[in-house]
Amino acid sequence: NAGVTQTPKFQVLKTGQSMTLQCAQDMNHNSMYWYRQDPGMGLRLIYYSASEGTTDKGEVPNGYNVSRLNKREFSLRLESAAPSQTSVYFCASSDRSNPSGTEAFFGQGTRLTVV
Amino acid sequence: LAKTTQPISMDSYEGQEVNITCSHNNIATNDYITWYQQFPSQGPRFIIQGYKTKVTNEVASLFIPADRKSSTLSLPRVSLSDTAVYYCLVGDAILTGGGNKLTFGTGTQLKVEL
Repeated sequence: NAGVTQTPKFQVLKTGQSMTLQCAQDMNHNSMYWYRQDPGMGLRLIYYSASEGTTDKGEVPNGYNVSRLNKREFSLRLESAAPSQTSVYFCASSDRSNPSGTEAFFGQGTRLTVV
Repeated sequence: LAKTTQPISMDSYEGQEVNITCSHNNIATNDYITWYQQFPSQGPRFIIQGYKTKVTNEVASLFIPADRKSSTLSLPRVSLSDTAVYYCLVGDAILTGGGNKLTFGTGTQLKVEL
């Protein structure tokens, strides 16, 4: 059971380039999330998907787009990367059947550097 | 979602009990309290969750007073490996149809020394 898998683990982009971060979970969870974490900071929610077919903005959605491809996969796209998007990106999933829905499982993160 | 307030950092020594308190004055009736642990270069990991009174598992205990406006995570006999950031979250999935925003604050950096 792999849990939440993110690809790639590391990436360097030039300013203006685009890329898609992939996330897949094998726990049949309804909800999925994308966070960014800057050095020495807490996690900030970019986008989340309460269930397949729905997506909603989090705290810091500007400069990002997401796609909930199916129940397993939730991708994050940077259309035109900027140095301010240099960060570690975490994907997570949680199960709606949990009474609070707040027991989430996280991937290992993608370290993105934009130069 | 209810806003949470935690100390920025705490220091302790191996073998001591550590208590980290989280304030959540505007917690709603349906909200649960959840704590996560994060090691450097890793994603957060679920530790414990509760609604009221006391919850205990193999890792920690969670104490929630009757008014639920605060909660305390208790780590018994900490070791060096407990050095991490601890996050307190308050939220509810039922009212939002299952999609809890899972908003993290800045957390508490716990440093355990010999």
